[in-house]
Formats: sequence, structure tokens, C-alpha cells
Amino acid sequence: DIQMTQSPSSLSASVGDRVNITCRASQKIDFYLNWYQHKPGTAPRLLIYAASISQSGVPSRFSGRGSGTDFTLTINSLQPEDFASYYCQQTYSSPLTFGGGTKVDIK
Amino acid sequence: QVTLKESGPAVVKRTQTLTLTCTFSGFSLSNSGMRVSWIRQPPGKGLEWLARIDWNDDKFYTTSLKTRLTISKDTSKNQVVLTMTTLGPEDTATYYCARSARYSSMPLDYWGQGTLVTVSS
Repeated sequence: DIQMTQSPSSLSASVGDRVNITCRASQKIDFYLNWYQHKPGTAPRLLIYAASISQSGVPSRFSGRGSGTDFTLTINSLQPEDFASYYCQQTYSSPLTFGGGTKVDIK
Repeated sequence: QVTLKESGPAVVKRTQTLTLTCTFSGFSLSNSGMRVSWIRQPPGKGLEWLARIDWNDDKFYTTSLKTRLTISKDTSKNQVVLTMTTLGPEDTATYYCARSARYSSMPLDYWGQGTLVTVSS
């Protein structure tokens, strides 16, 4: 199974900050990496797929990069509605696996 | 418009079998490239992918639960069913179903709202 390691597991940030979340795969997964945002009591939301393609309707402050084993989600100018948990997921091979998540809260 | 909705019991007794149904609309699981996955989130923990069924009836399971899970589909009813046997307290979680289609990295692009299942003793 491919292991996905996310870091940090949590972070505190202020509105307007730039936030970087990293995800590392235990083996090469090309570009088969997706990012989701999850708020309590709601369905997870797809933000980025294929490592760097923004899902329709996602604000431009969210961006993704990387390929192979190392990936990064960047949130530019953090907004109040961005305080949530973020997960990476590989879809290169089954079983599909999520990273452990990163909780972004208010400093 | 694509929608998915999970349904099933809110409380299940330890050692019993859980049956969850995902009822969807806006796409057909008989169309090439369509897939439906089940994912869960225990309280205070992260997301865990459980299983997937594809349009061609291929099935995939997470390694740790492979012996306890069965996924199936009823294309005529637009439903996917997940059964999990021998439940324990660690199976208490919110269970989600989600769709993926054959494009790019096949992300989970539409999700249901989730259903909370509590395993009681």
C-alpha cells in the first residue's frame, strides 16, 4: 500500500497569511494526487486534482504543485472561511489512501 | 446535477453487520469510467478510504478491512451498498460515499453529506 505523509498535522495562522501543506508519498505516484478541504459537519470538498488543477469554483488563492512523491498545497492570503482540515489523497493505485490531515486554525 | 446520499442505521450493536446504502443521481454507474467509493471518519480522526466499485463491477478494498467489507451496486436503482461485518467500537464513524469519474487523476469530485454510525456494546 502507498503511504501518504502529510505535514504539519496542525498549524495556527492568521487571516492574510500564506500557508503551505506538504504531502509525501511512499512511492512515486506521478500526478495522481488530490487535495480536499473538510469542515466539521459537512462533506469534504475537492480543491485540487492531478496535483495542480483547481476544481471548478475553487478560489484562486488555493494552488497545488508537485509530482512523483512530493506535493504541496498553498493557500495564499488565508481567509476566515479557510479554517478547516485539509487532506491529500493518492489515486495512483488501490487501495487509495489519504494523508493524515492538516488542521488549520486561527492564531 | 450530481448528488449522493448515504443511509443506514445510526446505531449498530457490537459484533453485528452494518449495511449502508448510497443512493445517487445525476450520473449512471453503468457508464464507462464511473466509480463510487466509501470513506469514513472516526470522531476526532482523519479520512479513511474503505472501498470502491467501478462501472464494470471491479471492486477494490482497503487492506486492513478487506475481509470484513463487501461492496455491490444496483445500477437500476442507482445505489451502491457497503456491508461491514463484525463491528467493533473502532468502527464508530461518519461514513461517506463519493463519486469519481474517468478524468485526470480520478478525484472524488462529489460527496454525500455522510451518515454517523455508532457501535454500541
